[in-house]
Amino acid sequence: EAQVTQNPRYLITVTGKKLTVTCSQNMNHEYMSWYRQDPGLGLRQIYYSMNVEVTDKGDVPEGYKVSRKEKRNFPLILESPSPNQTSLYFCASSSGFYNSPLHFGNGTRLTVT
Amino acid sequence: DQQVKQNSPSLSVQEGRISILNCDYTNSMFDYFLWYKKYPAEGPTFLISISSIKDKNEDGRFTVFLNKSAKHLSLHIVPSQPGDSAVYFCAASGTDNQFYFGTGTSLTVIP
Repeated sequence: EAQVTQNPRYLITVTGKKLTVTCSQNMNHEYMSWYRQDPGLGLRQIYYSMNVEVTDKGDVPEGYKVSRKEKRNFPLILESPSPNQTSLYFCASSSGFYNSPLHFGNGTRLTVT
Repeated sequence: DQQVKQNSPSLSVQEGRISILNCDYTNSMFDYFLWYKKYPAEGPTFLISISSIKDKNEDGRFTVFLNKSAKHLSLHIVPSQPGDSAVYFCAASGTDNQFYFGTGTSLTVIP
């Protein structure tokens, strides 16, 4: 089944403790991205990647890192999480062809205390 | 600055009637528009899209209309069903291949 898989689904951590949220897609998609969803703000892009070893900042990249060493994986790294990073996170992928939709994972709810 | 706006946070419709969800955008370089549906505890799922060369696209009960001069698009659901109750996000994309999302409209279809 074609899908985008995120892990973990739920994560509670403390301020400053490094964490990684994994994302993997099995559709051979070129394009992958991370979004956060906050009440009243919709989905805001954190980082995206057009291809392996190519990453770029989205609208809200502060406090996050990503890497794209393989086509299928696009982990999101929080080196020193803070409470304002408490949010619902979504990974998404697309073939990258013009006018191709994004496909989303099921989300990771992160709480930073 | 929000480039894609959904000004109605919520909408309630009777089962069987039409649901109309609206979306406005500011960037005239957008040329691909999408609607996503999101249930609680799930990721957004792609519903329907439209290219800027068209003004209407239909898929079953779902129709998207695009008015480029007004920078406005709408999603019509006819007839509405209780299973359509969800949050709907509109999104837009342009030559930069990035996707910009609205803040969502929560649709409730009343049986």
